[in-house]
Amino acid sequence: EAEVAQSPRYKITEKSQAVAFWCDPISGHATLYWYRQILGQGPELLVQFQDESVVDDSQLPKDRFSAERLKGVDSTLKIQPAELGDSAMYLCASSPLWGQGTAEAFFGQGTRLTVV
Amino acid sequence: AQSVTQPDIHITVSEGASLELRCNYSYGATPYLFWYVQSPGQGLQLLLKYFSGDTLVQGIKGFEAEFKRSQSSFNLRKPSVHWSDAAEYFCAVASPDTSGTYKYIFGTGTRLKVLA
Repeated sequence: EAEVAQSPRYKITEKSQAVAFWCDPISGHATLYWYRQILGQGPELLVQFQDESVVDDSQLPKDRFSAERLKGVDSTLKIQPAELGDSAMYLCASSPLWGQGTAEAFFGQGTRLTVV
Repeated sequence: AQSVTQPDIHITVSEGASLELRCNYSYGATPYLFWYVQSPGQGLQLLLKYFSGDTLVQGIKGFEAEFKRSQSSFNLRKPSVHWSDAAEYFCAVASPDTSGTYKYIFGTGTRLKVLA
């Protein structure tokens, strides 16, 4: 069964350092999402791509976060510099376009970031 | 604006007892509705979904949910809970936007504890 792949699973970094997460969506899914999930809360959208274009990055802290999906397939989310408050689970998800399949989002296992 | 409310932050049930997790949504049209489950340190797994048709939908692991338009609700149920059902449960609503992609809004989650 096709899955969304994320790496690394866990990351510990010192504050002010740079950190990057990688996501490979399900093949053929045009839409890719990055969510941040703080412990005890639901996922919150950081950025949404359709192919290589950003559809929504209104909640992305652009002073320190960046995301790219250069070839419209896999994606990288970067934080520089990391702050203590960035400690969270970072989830990647993908879905097909409207009308091209089922509407559910498929999630990866996530990257648990701890900033010390 | 769309929103999802899960009124119960924590629920504790005994193994073998029945379960109902509440979800209320706010959306202008008929939304796509989902229930996801998340085990500690893991990504979100789809339990079931509602798009249209029969308002009682069956999912994996013996779960079902009922869509009630008049109450704007999509409550999750299970007749007999197993210890392995202990996890966090998220209700979500999705709608297509002008870009042809889906927007997902998640509730804050309900943490289920199962007593032996």
